[in-house]
Amino acid sequence: GAGVSQSPRYKVAKRGQDVALRCDPISGHVSLFWYQQALGQGPEFLTYFQNEAQLDKSGLPSDRFFAERPEGSVSTLKIQRTQQEDSAVYLCASSLTGGMNTEAFFGQGTRLTVV
Amino acid sequence: LAKTTQPISMDSYEGQEVNITCSHNNIATNDYITWYQQFPSQGPRFIIQGYKTKVTNEVASLFIPADRKSSTLSLPRVSLSDTAVYYCLVGATRNTDKLIFGTGTRLQVFP
Repeated sequence: GAGVSQSPRYKVAKRGQDVALRCDPISGHVSLFWYQQALGQGPEFLTYFQNEAQLDKSGLPSDRFFAERPEGSVSTLKIQRTQQEDSAVYLCASSLTGGMNTEAFFGQGTRLTVV
Repeated sequence: LAKTTQPISMDSYEGQEVNITCSHNNIATNDYITWYQQFPSQGPRFIIQGYKTKVTNEVASLFIPADRKSSTLSLPRVSLSDTAVYYCLVGATRNTDKLIFGTGTRLQVFP
């Protein structure tokens, strides 16, 4: 596609439920990032992939959060046993290469609401 | 990654020039300065990037003084559609580097 695509756009989960959020990056982009954005805050880094390798997962808030990119393209962010504090917008971004001198393209995000 | 400080909010009127300054006192030699724009319910969008002096594109200009401890994003003749949050990011070019966002500057443009 022309841009980064995320699905679903909106997700409502009951507390304790598992969720899976999907990101389709721009074709050929090596780097893929996941961010969490709470209301009124800037995006907070979660994890970073270079191709299929997860190079940095220092931002994942707990072991309930898991991300994968098995074939170096589509990525899934999974949250187990969701809690209310997980409610946020989850943003995915991709870039042609890594590093700050390349433009990152963001998807529209998935708004997760845990009730 | 160098920490950045920018105003929480700014107000302007249509047709005015807006300058948003970002402080990054601990910027490293290899660090670039990048600005992103975010509209409500959308992901951030790259605006401009620079290393030193001045960079200009069709959207904005970026001014960076010689000491590189600050930078100023300049938006000429803003319109209502420029109402958004603007983030200043600083980081290097290693391909393992991630984008670190602060709280950004919320720009409100009035008619």
